[in-house]
Amino acid sequence: GAVVSQHPSRVICKSGTSVKIECRSLDFQATTMFWYRQFPKKSLMLMATSNEGSKATYEQGVEKDKFLINHASLTLSTLTVTSAHPEDSSFYICSAGTSGYNEQFFGPGTRLTVL
Amino acid sequence: AQSVTQLDSQVPVFEEAPVELRCNYSSSVSVYLFWYVQYPNQGLQLLLKYLSGSTLVKGINGFEAEFNKSQTSFHLRKPSVHISDTAEYFCAVTYTGRRALTFGSGTRLQVQP
Repeated sequence: GAVVSQHPSRVICKSGTSVKIECRSLDFQATTMFWYRQFPKKSLMLMATSNEGSKATYEQGVEKDKFLINHASLTLSTLTVTSAHPEDSSFYICSAGTSGYNEQFFGPGTRLTVL
Repeated sequence: AQSVTQLDSQVPVFEEAPVELRCNYSSSVSVYLFWYVQYPNQGLQLLLKYLSGSTLVKGINGFEAEFNKSQTSFHLRKPSVHISDTAEYFCAVTYTGRRALTFGSGTRLQVQP
């Protein structure tokens, strides 16, 4: 089946630093990747949708300058949290899909803790 | 705008008992519906999906769900649960022209021996 990986699985950083999270589709080409954020014991909130080779579309309320998304190839999307603050601590999950509405394949998530 | 409501935040149930996790959605257009399961500190795994056709959908691990358009519901059921079914379950919806998913708030299924 389709596999999506995320790296790192956990990251702890100091306030003010930037953190990059990678999302890879290992055995298929993902035309679209999605980034979600999940707060403790809460649901997933869509942050942005990225299509390969074009700019990401951010959801209302998500700061595009703070959460930089790059989707340079059909198998890799990156989320960079710039100048991270403790309130950015969260579980970040990516998903990848091909065409149609059949299914999104989710990565295992990245736990970000900002001290 | 579409939304998903999972009324039950937690559902405790004894092992081998049946269970139903409720999901209602609101949308003015045709929808595609999904149920995902999340184990602690892991990503989401697809249980089943409704895109079109038969309203009774069978998924993995013995789960099934029924799409009821008149009641705008997509409840998840399993006739006999196992301890290993303990997890968080999310209902999600999308529609034509939008591929991103809108998730419900999740239901914690706690299977007790």
